Amino acid sequence: GNSVTQMEGPVTLSEEAFLTINCTYTATGYPSLFWYVQYPGEGLQLLLKATKADDKGSNKGFEATYRKETTSFHLEKGSVQVSDSAVYFCALTTGGFKTIFGAGTRLFVKA
Amino acid sequence: NAGVTQTPKFQVLKTGQSMTLQCAQDMNHNSMYWYRQDPGMGLRLIYYSASEGTTDKGEVPNGYNVSRLNKREFSLRLESAAPSQTSVYFCASNEGIRETQYFGPGTRLLVL
Repeated sequence: GNSVTQMEGPVTLSEEAFLTINCTYTATGYPSLFWYVQYPGEGLQLLLKATKADDKGSNKGFEATYRKETTSFHLEKGSVQVSDSAVYFCALTTGGFKTIFGAGTRLFVKA
Repeated sequence: NAGVTQTPKFQVLKTGQSMTLQCAQDMNHNSMYWYRQDPGMGLRLIYYSASEGTTDKGEVPNGYNVSRLNKREFSLRLESAAPSQTSVYFCASNEGIRETQYFGPGTRLLVL
């Protein structure tokens, strides 16, 4: 079946450090891939997405590239801020109404 | 726009009690979803409604029922709450297949 695996957290970084959160997937067909972010006490919101191989999604300095050959969609940011502290979820959908979410990675950024 | 709204924000129940979680969206979306979020397990789909008048089971439907009241509203009912249903519940909506989902702020439920 379809699945998403992302690196376990928490990840703790100092402000202005480089961020990578790994995400790999297993899916039949051609999935669309998403990164959602959840700030404390809130629901999830879309951070970025990519719908086909080699697409790069980007938003607020975050980027992720859809790599079909390695079945990966790693999230990166060149310089994190304290305000980026949140939980990040990798997710996929393969064309039905069901979205598969990873377990989430909590990020702490220290000033 | 309010987006997706959920009520209540927080609820405490005793085992065996019933309750209904309410969800409404004002984005004219066709599809709506109920998830539960538990530590270390991401979000798991309970039920979804692809369009007004239809509902389907997700990954963890046991112990829950849903009603798509109209295009805007999608409620989740626990008929006889159990401690295993202690969780944070999120409602979401989108325009359809492969589209971004928009989430409500969540309902935190504690079953004693």
